[in-house]
Amino acid sequence: DGGITQSPKYLFRKEGQNVTLSCEQNLNHDAMYWYRQDPGQGLRLIYYSQIVNDFQKGDIAEGYSVSREKKESFPLTVTSAQKNPTAFYLCASSISGPRTEAFFGQGTRLTVV
Amino acid sequence: DQQVKQNSPSLSVQEGRISILNCDYTNSMFDYFLWYKKYPAEGPTFLISISSIKDKNEDGRFTVFLNKSAKHLSLHIVPSQPGDSAVYFCAASDVGKLIFGQGTTLQVKP
Repeated sequence: DGGITQSPKYLFRKEGQNVTLSCEQNLNHDAMYWYRQDPGQGLRLIYYSQIVNDFQKGDIAEGYSVSREKKESFPLTVTSAQKNPTAFYLCASSISGPRTEAFFGQGTRLTVV
Repeated sequence: DQQVKQNSPSLSVQEGRISILNCDYTNSMFDYFLWYKKYPAEGPTFLISISSIKDKNEDGRFTVFLNKSAKHLSLHIVPSQPGDSAVYFCAASDVGKLIFGQGTTLQVKP
């Protein structure tokens, strides 16, 4: 089955700890994305990558870091510098180029206590 | 600054009637638009898209209309069904990434 897998679905961390969210895809897509969803604010872009070993900041990159060492993997680290980390995080992928739709994973709900 | 806006947070319609969801954008360079549907605690799923060279695209019960001069697009669902109840996001394609609106929660009452 081709698709995007995010794990875990629910994640709890103590304040001040870094946490890494996993995203894997077997769709052979070049581009991958991380979005954050908060109530009433839609989906906001954190980071995106069009190709392996390259990535760009989105609108709300502060307090986050990513890597893209393999085509199928795009992990997101939420660092202790992120002031409001509790949110629903969504990973997506697409083929490269304009006018393509992105396919989303099921999301990870991160709660920092 | 929000480049894609969905000004109606929620919409309630009766089963069998038409649902119209609206979206406005500010950047005239956007040339491809998409609608996604999202259930709680799940990832969005792609519904329908439209290129700026068209003003209408239809897929079954779903039709998207684009008015470039007004920088406005809308999604029509006819007839609406209770299973359509979800959050709907419009998105614009911008140089290798998608920019999303805030979403509109649609409730279809039986």
